[in-house]
Amino acid sequence: GAGVSQSPSNKVTEKGKDVELRCDPISGHTALYWYRQSLGQGLEFLIYFQGNSAPDKSGLPSDRFSAERTGGSVSTLTIQRTQQEDSAVYLCASSQDRAFWNSPLHFGNGTRLTVT
Amino acid sequence: AQKVTQAQTEISVVEKEDVTLDCVYETRDTTYYLFWYKQPPSGELVFLIRRNSFDEQNEISGRYSWNFQKSTSSFNFTITASQVVDSAVYFCALSESDAGGTSYGKLTFGQGTILTVHP
Repeated sequence: GAGVSQSPSNKVTEKGKDVELRCDPISGHTALYWYRQSLGQGLEFLIYFQGNSAPDKSGLPSDRFSAERTGGSVSTLTIQRTQQEDSAVYLCASSQDRAFWNSPLHFGNGTRLTVT
Repeated sequence: AQKVTQAQTEISVVEKEDVTLDCVYETRDTTYYLFWYKQPPSGELVFLIRRNSFDEQNEISGRYSWNFQKSTSSFNFTITASQVVDSAVYFCALSESDAGGTSYGKLTFGQGTILTVHP
């Protein structure tokens, strides 16, 4: 596709349920990032995948958060036992490769998660 | 730790006015990149500009211009002759470097400046 695609665009879930958020990066982009945008914390880095290297998970806020990237393309962010403070917009971004001299980050439209 | 400060939370101007959005950053990295992103009401983050730490030349793109001053750790963004379509949240961001000194997409964002341009 032309851009980074995320699904669903909106998700409402009950506290305690698990949710999965999906990201399709731009074709050929090897680097993939997840960010979270919330009212109180602004835009925060969550996790980064580059090719077959081990992901950089340094931004994940708790062990309830995990992500995987299958086949070097599609990524899924999973939040287990959701809490109200998890309510936010989850943004996915990709870039052609790790280094910035080739291309900047291209962001998707995000998934708005609401935990009731 | 890295930090990006956008001191202006909200700015309101009337169409055709010029407006400058401030960005001040802190980093220990010698090589880094600075970015501006625009987030219109639709929610998507739109890339505007990337500047690396070794290039202090100012840049102009149409009505947009950027002033990078390493001495004051600032990367300010000016919109000339603002238009209603410029209304959005604008984010300044700073890249982090890995152990080898390569900048990558782990960005530290400022809190954003909400710009409203009135007709």
